Amino acid sequence: QTVVTQEPSFSVSPGGTVTLTCGLNSGSVSTGYYPSWYQQTPGQPPRTLIYSTNTRSSGVPARFSGSIRGGRAVLTITGAQAVDECDYYCVLYIGSGVWMFGGGTKVTVL
Amino acid sequence: EVQLLESGGGLVQPGGSLRLSCAASGFTFYSNVMTWVRQAPGKGLEWVAAISGSGVTTYYSHSVKGRFTISRDNSRNTLYVQMNGLRAEDTAVYYCAKPSGSYFSDAIHMWGRGTMVAVSS
Repeated sequence: QTVVTQEPSFSVSPGGTVTLTCGLNSGSVSTGYYPSWYQQTPGQPPRTLIYSTNTRSSGVPARFSGSIRGGRAVLTITGAQAVDECDYYCVLYIGSGVWMFGGGTKVTVL
Repeated sequence: EVQLLESGGGLVQPGGSLRLSCAASGFTFYSNVMTWVRQAPGKGLEWVAAISGSGVTTYYSHSVKGRFTISRDNSRNTLYVQMNGLRAEDTAVYYCAKPSGSYFSDAIHMWGRGTMVAVSS
């Protein structure tokens, strides 16, 4: 069974760099999995940050970037701010029309 | 401006049925794949189902296959999901979502605000 893995939590100081990863239990993530990233604050729908590995969604600040490194998709937040404290989800295209989300990472800025 | 407005949520007994709707506007509905994603209370996001622009091709997650049916009415710019045999574990906020393009491999780009489904006796 395919499982998409994310760190459960990540802590960063204001102004620091957040590096979140998205992996596959069955192997490496590549661009063919079209990794995408979403941000969600409590009680709100998700907000699209990055899609297809590294395309920033309209209106998303440049401090958010996506890449693939070491067989994992990576979301980097450069210069973390208090407003960045929330949950982050990645999703991978598994094939045959099916997508799979990771379990999410709770980011704390303190 | 893209808008996705879900409706039809509510409280239903285990084994019951419910049909959710999503009214779409602001884009060429018939040319886009559309998707349902859900989120159980306090849990993460779960991809549920997707449908091609024509409505001919559909895909489902293992957890809902055989119980849920995704469909669309392109004349009404509306997406549906018929949910039968509902279980307590189907309790979630259901989001209508639009990918960035017309392929199943295009990632979700726009989200509705969601509609809550609660399955309980």
